Order: sequence, then structure tokens, then C-alpha cells
Amino acid sequence: QVTLKESGPGILQPSQTLSLTCTFSGFSLSTYGMGVGWIRQPSGKGLEWLANIWWDDDKYYNPSLKNRLTISKDTSNNQAFLKITNVDTADTATYYCARIYGGSPFAYWGQGTLVTVSS
Amino acid sequence: DIQMTQSPSSMSVSLGDTVTITCRASQDVGIYVNWFQQKPGKSPRRMIYRATNLADGVPSRFSGSRSGSDYSLTISSLESEDVADYHCLQYDEYPYTFGAGTKLELK
Repeated sequence: QVTLKESGPGILQPSQTLSLTCTFSGFSLSTYGMGVGWIRQPSGKGLEWLANIWWDDDKYYNPSLKNRLTISKDTSNNQAFLKITNVDTADTATYYCARIYGGSPFAYWGQGTLVTVSS
Repeated sequence: DIQMTQSPSSMSVSLGDTVTITCRASQDVGIYVNWFQQKPGKSPRRMIYRATNLADGVPSRFSGSRSGSDYSLTISSLESEDVADYHCLQYDEYPYTFGAGTKLELK
């Protein structure tokens, strides 16, 4: 059974760095063709893809966030991570991680974690 | 970036209706379009993958189609549990891009 669960700080202040963790089970990020992506959704708005990391450590980022994103993984502990630097109120959103496999992304999603950026 | 222009943004529907939602891609994305359903407070659920393939466990009243750069999600004989938001996603090219979403509301 594939499950994913996001965790994060809940609330942070502008200019801080947001650190998110995706803890998953039922698959391994060392399996050929496996990947994990991060997607966010401000309240009442649409979905925005942020980044993917693949089994071979290939990484892809949304250029709209310029150089603020860093994605990484810990294969041994079945975790993927996303850092967003220099956050502001526009980064307030629910953040999801989701699995990519078999060439079709996001068949499985976590429950999401709400992040609020506020001073 | 590839733009996915999704329409309509909202739709007032009745039970039993046939509903069609469309995404138009700004450039060729081949078959690499997924459709997601999202209910309030819940994570998205993949309904259609690679434009026309029904995801596991999805009722057969859902279908996906492609005509050129237009991708459609059709719900035949709408049921109450289908009232939700729907999103398209292209993953042919980075950055992946979602449509703006369609909200189905009951009349």
C-alpha cells in the first residue's frame, strides 16, 4: 500500500526558509523510474507544480520560483525533502508530495500540510 | 512554459447531466495529460492518465479524450459524488503545468 505524508513547520515568518518533509511507504525511491514531486495550492486557488526528484537523483524545478527551491531525498529512510528560501506571504499554501511512476505522475498523494507565512 | 487553458472555470450542473471540461494546450503535449478530481479539504485524485486512460478504481462514467491540442474530461450521467473541482496537468515538458481548475456546483 502506497502512502505519503507531508510535514512542515505550520507557520513561519517572511524571509525564513521553509523545510518540508515527505515520508512515504509502499515504494522505494531507489527503484528505477520512481520519482516524487511537490505541488502546492493556495487556499481557494489552483495547483502549482514545484519540483520533482527521481530515483537517479535527477532534479527538476519550477523556474517561476527562480533559485529558491532545493529538493532532495533520503532513500534509506523513505523520505523526500523540499526547501524554499526567503519565503513571503505568497508562499502560504497547502503543500503536497506525490509519487511519480510508470511515466504518469501523481497517482498517489499525501494529505497535504498547510504552511502559513506571516509576521 | 506550456499553458493549459482550462474551461469553464465553473459550471452549474444537475444530477444525470453529461459534463465536459476542456484544457487547451499552448503547444503540443502529446498524450501527456492527466486529470484530477479534488473535493473540499482533500488531496487531488488522479482520474485519467495519458489523456484517455481511466485510473484504477475510477467509475466508467468518467472518460478522457483528445482532439489536437484540446483535452477533455467527460462525466456521463453525473452523480452527487462527482461534484468537485477538476484539474488538468501536462507533463510532456518541464515545468509541469496545471490548468486553473473547474468547479462543478449543483443547480
